[in-house]
Amino acid sequence: DAGVIQSPRHEVTEMGQEVTLRCKPISGHNSLFWYRQTMMRGLELLIYFNNNVPIDDSGMPEDRFSAKMPNASFSTLKIQPSEPRDSAVYFCASSLGGVYNEQFFGPGTRLTVL
Amino acid sequence: SQELEQSPQSLIVQEGKNLTINCTSSKTLYGLYWYKQKYGEGLIFLMMLQKGGEEKSHEKITAKLDEKKQQSSLHITASQPSHAGIYLCGADSTGANNLFFGTGTRLTVIS
Repeated sequence: DAGVIQSPRHEVTEMGQEVTLRCKPISGHNSLFWYRQTMMRGLELLIYFNNNVPIDDSGMPEDRFSAKMPNASFSTLKIQPSEPRDSAVYFCASSLGGVYNEQFFGPGTRLTVL
Repeated sequence: SQELEQSPQSLIVQEGKNLTINCTSSKTLYGLYWYKQKYGEGLIFLMMLQKGGEEKSHEKITAKLDEKKQQSSLHITASQPSHAGIYLCGADSTGANNLFFGTGTRLTVIS
């Protein structure tokens, strides 16, 4: 099993540019989670999907952030326009869903906005 | 707000020594998860506890959840350099597998 796949692994962009992060969950998992990790705020849940439907997006910082899951094997997190304070490591995780199921994390995308 | 307090924030121990990391919530939790993270990498699942008083062990790591399901401890016996990393506790307070995480404990093991 390839695990959760994220791309790109590193992204450096300039303020104002659009950034798209991608995630492929583990096959068969029906829940997908996007997290952001910074030194100041630690690991924060941004949004999670269950069966491709967004369930809770209360962690999304503002309207500049949007996430989609068009099918069970792909999700994107988009930032438009990006700002320096968006610099962080963004993790995608997937699970079998429901309660008490382990979340498997991807390697993360390190985003730097200049 | 949902908060998990971890202590200590960082820990430096001599190889071979035992150590304990704590995780406390003001809310009763449906599930308590322990993850380990190495710098620049994703999180690796260690253990999940869901019942009050539950205790689980894997190799030299033992995790416990108190009876009220508001506090957990992670204990490492005879620490090794391979145990070094950031330990994060994550908790589910709604029953929807929606986790929020503590700020982490950075463990350094000195040979």
